[in-house]
Amino acid sequence: DQQVKQNSPSLSVQEGRISILNCDYTNSMFDYFLWYKKYPAEGPTFLISISSIKDKNEDGRFTVFLNKSAKHLSLHIVPSQPGDSAVYFCGLNFGNEKLTFGTGTRLTIIP
Amino acid sequence: DTGVSQDPRHKITKRGQNVTFRCDPISEHNRLYWYRQTLGQGPEFLTYFQNEAQLEKSRLLSDRFSAERPKGSFSTLEIQRTEQGDSAMYLCASSRDGSKMFFGSGTQLSVL
Repeated sequence: DQQVKQNSPSLSVQEGRISILNCDYTNSMFDYFLWYKKYPAEGPTFLISISSIKDKNEDGRFTVFLNKSAKHLSLHIVPSQPGDSAVYFCGLNFGNEKLTFGTGTRLTIIP
Repeated sequence: DTGVSQDPRHKITKRGQNVTFRCDPISEHNRLYWYRQTLGQGPEFLTYFQNEAQLEKSRLLSDRFSAERPKGSFSTLEIQRTEQGDSAMYLCASSRDGSKMFFGSGTQLSVL
């Protein structure tokens, strides 16, 4: 039973426009939510996080939104740049134990 | 460089052989995690340590897999009698408190 889902395997966005990546989860016990970015043949790199007591966190071009009632997490990147092309994973934590990851979304920024 | 370090980056082995991977975490991090990632999937949790204690093991970690962190610093992951299904990227991560994890570059294992 997959607790974390990223339903879009891929997404293409024009450079300069907004990229929106989505993540849905089933377990309401998750209390800390993270986004990671991964380039081929490298490990995931931490991007941004949010705790369950907030509904928005912003860091430069990256904003994460959390809708607890809908069990939905999203990452907004604006403006999108060619270097943002990568695979993005949401990772969810419960009680500071371990992260459970989604299957990832491959983002391609079109120049 | 003070990030998470993994060795080797790539390992090619024949089915039935044993392999061992090493992970050096960020020095002040007391938590160390092992994950496995296959193509088209997200990282899957294998096991984690707090200092030298192994606190949780996934059911993905069969009897052929063993992980150690003898002095609470570096860790090793050994796979005995490798199978083709073990081919994957093995990722190590460390964390100060279990919230934000920092990953190494991974070890890509190919079992022929």
